[in-house]
Amino acid sequence: DAGVIQSPRHEVTEMGQEVTLRCKPISGHNSLFWYRQTMMRGLELLIYFNNNVPIDDSGMPEDRFSAKMPNASFSTLKIQPSEPRDSAVYFCASSALAGGQTQYFGPGTRLLVL
Amino acid sequence: AQKVTQAQTEISVVEKEDVTLDCVYETRDTTYYLFWYKQPPSGELVFLIRRNSFDEQNEISGRYSWNFQKSTSSFNFTITASQVVDSAVYFCALSPNTNAGKSTFGDGTTLTVKP
Repeated sequence: DAGVIQSPRHEVTEMGQEVTLRCKPISGHNSLFWYRQTMMRGLELLIYFNNNVPIDDSGMPEDRFSAKMPNASFSTLKIQPSEPRDSAVYFCASSALAGGQTQYFGPGTRLLVL
Repeated sequence: AQKVTQAQTEISVVEKEDVTLDCVYETRDTTYYLFWYKQPPSGELVFLIRRNSFDEQNEISGRYSWNFQKSTSSFNFTITASQVVDSAVYFCALSPNTNAGKSTFGDGTTLTVKP
């Protein structure tokens, strides 16, 4: 079975541009998580969804960040406008409520904002 | 509030040495899960193990073993006869039984295994 799929794997953009990161969770998983990883701050949870509903977005750094999950098999994380400090690796993870809270991570999107 | 502490920021060993990565946690939950993840240089986060707070049995998987001690709030990870391919950042994580969204990750331990 396919794991969590993220696209793009790498993104280079200029400050002020809109960036959209995409995630397809593992089929049958009920929860989806967006994380950001940087050297300075480590792994940070940005937002998570249960059954497509956002449960906690307290980790979203500011209004420039937004996330949606229109259906069980797709989620987006959007940054508009992007800034150089948004440069990081963004991970999507999914878990099954019956799966003991184990989160399975995608390969990540490496974002560089110039 | 919950907390995961991986006091060892970096560890360097020579191939075939045994190495233990420490993880100490704090939680007020009576039931919870503990995890270890591996992040190799390629960057992906790979799930290694999950342990339920009910189950204090140690677990062995090949060269990997995990020691869970509730009395000391520790969940240590030992690699026996380390190999170069074990070089990675290892994360310990804690989650309440009922809410994966409240997972807490440690800062990670960077393990370097030299040939």
